[in-house]
Amino acid sequence: GAGVSQSPSNKVTEKGKDVELRCDPISGHTALYWYRQSLGQGLEFLIYFQGNSAPDKSGLPSDRFSAERTGGSVSTLTIQRTQQEDSAVYLCASSPRGGLAGVPNTGELFFGEGSRLTVL
Amino acid sequence: KNQVEQSPQSLIILEGKNCTLQCNYTVSPFSNLRWYKQDTGRGPVSLTIMTFSENTKSNGRYTATLDADTKQSSLHITASQLSDSASYICVVIGGGYQKVTFGTGTKLQVIP
Repeated sequence: GAGVSQSPSNKVTEKGKDVELRCDPISGHTALYWYRQSLGQGLEFLIYFQGNSAPDKSGLPSDRFSAERTGGSVSTLTIQRTQQEDSAVYLCASSPRGGLAGVPNTGELFFGEGSRLTVL
Repeated sequence: KNQVEQSPQSLIILEGKNCTLQCNYTVSPFSNLRWYKQDTGRGPVSLTIMTFSENTKSNGRYTATLDADTKQSSLHITASQLSDSASYICVVIGGGYQKVTFGTGTKLQVIP
């Protein structure tokens, strides 16, 4: 498809279970972001991948959260031992930002529709 | 610390009226600023981009302004429509390594 694709769109799980959320970015986009949005709240940055560089994990709220990006394309966000406070919409975005120094980041992020996680 | 603050947090206006949303930032060095619109249950979509040299830019009924000296931006919506009901998010690029910093958004509700 032409846009950012996320799956599942909805996930209901029990407290303590592990979940995996998938993001398929726009082809050719080198940058990929994960954000979390709780009900009625703003976007909370989680993690950022840029090309082959080490990811910026500074937004991950705990060591239960991890993410990987295989082959510079698809990304998976994993939440282990889910807690009720993990309930939120998890948004993925990709950007055509170049991986070369001096290539400006115009900040245009293309978002997926999100994965709504509910932890019971 | 690089921050982006938006006001008001929420706003209700009558259909057909105008409104202005504010964004103040402390991000430095500044690269550019974008306004995004997020419909309920959807991902944000970019409305407009403001670079350092631009003071104002229009996109249909949306007009964005930027004052890089005072580090303020505004988004003016003219003749509001019901479909304008959404959250409007200010995003600033800069602060070293071209980081993306999101504001908390303004939730706009347009009522008949």
